[in-house]
Amino acid sequence: QVQLQESGPGLVKPSETLSLTCTVSGGSLSTYFWSWIRQPPGKGLEWIGNIYSTGSTRYTPSLGSRVTISLDTSKSQFSLKLNSVTAADTAVYYCARDLYMSVAGDLYTWFDPWGQGTLVIVSS
Amino acid sequence: DIQVTQSPSSLSASVGDRVTITCRASQNIGNFLNWYQQKPGKAPKVLIYAATTLQGGVSSRFSGSGSGTDFTLTISSLQPEDFATYYCQQSYSVTFGGGTKVEIK
Repeated sequence: QVQLQESGPGLVKPSETLSLTCTVSGGSLSTYFWSWIRQPPGKGLEWIGNIYSTGSTRYTPSLGSRVTISLDTSKSQFSLKLNSVTAADTAVYYCARDLYMSVAGDLYTWFDPWGQGTLVIVSS
Repeated sequence: DIQVTQSPSSLSASVGDRVTITCRASQNIGNFLNWYQQKPGKAPKVLIYAATTLQGGVSSRFSGSGSGTDFTLTISSLQPEDFATYYCQQSYSVTFGGGTKVEIK
């Protein structure tokens, strides 16, 4: 079965770039979307963006141009870069696969599975 | 952006109780609504997708209903392992509700 594992620094300084990698095992990156989702401590979930296996990306408008998601199919990995971070970017960051189902021309998507999550603290 | 509002934000219930959580979308999203369960320190786990479809391996005491703007997650008979936080998520433009924490009464 597919498993996802996040990795990267747990501490990032303000104004610097947060970089995380998600390694996918037990399955291929092909024909799926792959997402990053975050959760500030004690708060709710926020979708950051996703990437399709072809490299096409979509990002949440609120994070705008600060976000870049990329793919390395040779390593079965996809990555997140978030630049100009502030304390508000402190969160547990999850990677997840977007499963999808097409019904009468509509594409239904949901997140499964998820990685275990990694806490990133933004602090000097 | 389409917002989804969950209610209540928390509830207390006993084992065996029937529990209902609602999610309201700010505009018509058809059946583009999923439900997740999250336990402390763990990643969320999908329970229901496309508003009413039970994820494989999930107990049949969980059910989803609704369409358009109003949706419901029902737990027919609350079990000890169901005490957790539940989130709805609209997949039309991808946003999550604020969560409902289900606690032991």
